[in-house]
Parts: sequence; C-alpha cells; structure tokens
Amino acid sequence: GAVVSQHPSWVICKSGTSVKIECRSLDFQATTMFWYRQFPKQSLMLMATSNEGSKATYEQGVEKDKFLINHASLTLSTLTVTSAHPEDSSFYICSANNRGQGNTIYFGEGSWLTVV
Amino acid sequence: ELKVEQNPLFLSMQEGKNYTIYCNYSTTSDRLYWYRQDPGKSLESLFVLLSNGAVKQEGRLMASLDTKARLSTLHITAAVHDLSATYFCAVDGGNQFYFGTGTSLTVIP
Repeated sequence: GAVVSQHPSWVICKSGTSVKIECRSLDFQATTMFWYRQFPKQSLMLMATSNEGSKATYEQGVEKDKFLINHASLTLSTLTVTSAHPEDSSFYICSANNRGQGNTIYFGEGSWLTVV
Repeated sequence: ELKVEQNPLFLSMQEGKNYTIYCNYSTTSDRLYWYRQDPGKSLESLFVLLSNGAVKQEGRLMASLDTKARLSTLHITAAVHDLSATYFCAVDGGNQFYFGTGTSLTVIP
C-alpha cells in the first residue's frame, strides 16, 4: 500500500541551529501534504498545508519564517525549523493526500525533535 | 472552525470489560476517521467512516457514525492489554483534518 516516509525519525540539535525534516510519498504523487506538531499527551495541531509548486498555507500562530516549508516536487515536502529553541522540541508528523485513492490521507512515521 | 471533542480524555479499564469512546464534532462532515497512536509512534489508521449510519468492525473495536447527530463512537469489546494506546478521531473539514483531543486508554490486567 501507499507509504509516507519521514526522515529523520529523531534528531537532537543545539539551540540556534536549523534542522530539516523530509516527508516523502513513496508510491504516489502528493500535490498536498500537511505538517503537524504534537506535544506530549496532546493532540495533533496542524501547522501548515504544503502545496506543490506554490507557497505553503500556515495556520494562525505558526511563524512562516521560522518553519520553512518547501514542496518542490510531487513526492517531497520539507519542513525546516530555523533558529531552533527548546520550546520547538516536539513530535512532527506529516501526511500526504493521495488523490488517486479518493483523497486518502496517509501519515508519516513522525520525527522527534529535541533542541538542547 | 470545526471543533472535535472526544470523551473521555483518559480511560482506565480492566481486561474483559466493554467501553465506548465518543467523538462529537461541530459542523457537517461525511468523513470521519479513527486512529490509534502508541507512545512515541505516529498514527495508525483504524477506520474510515464515509456515510451516515456507517459501522465498521475490526477485532474488538467497532466504530459507527451518525452524521445527523455529528457523533461517532468507538466501542471496545472485551478489552485486552494490547489495546492500550491513545485513540484519536479526526473529521475531514474539506481542506484539512480536525483532530479530537484524544483518549488515552489503559487496559489493566
């Protein structure tokens, strides 16, 4: 079946540095991908909708200059956390919309980010 | 904005018992999803409910959807320890998913 892969699974970085997380749809083309953030014991919060070939749509309260999203191809979206701070430590999950299967949503495995 | 509420938030139950988790949402939608999340993991799809009256069952879990009442239920039958996880419902709002608050389930031997 369709698979959405995230990389890395976990990453530890120093405060002030930037870190990139990749989200790939492995066997289908995804014109739309979604990025979520999940803090411990909380639900998923949508950060932004990533659209291939155009600018991402950010949810209210999400800094677009801090969380850079690039969706340069139909199978890859990247989320770059710039100038990371400890409060950015979280579980980041992407999902991709497979229009070829009735808009079925597939979730990536998630990426744990710890900023020290 | 579409709001999705789950009840209860936390649930501890003994093995062999039955229980129902409720998911209420605020505006019309015909697509509702249930997911399971184990600690440190991403979401695992359990059910997709696409119409009013839809009922799906897999093992000890059964999900139903009442679009008129804007309510979905996830019923657990004869719980076993392996079902311990957090369960989320999510409603398709057209251009994005809206997730419920989650129900953390612990099944006690």
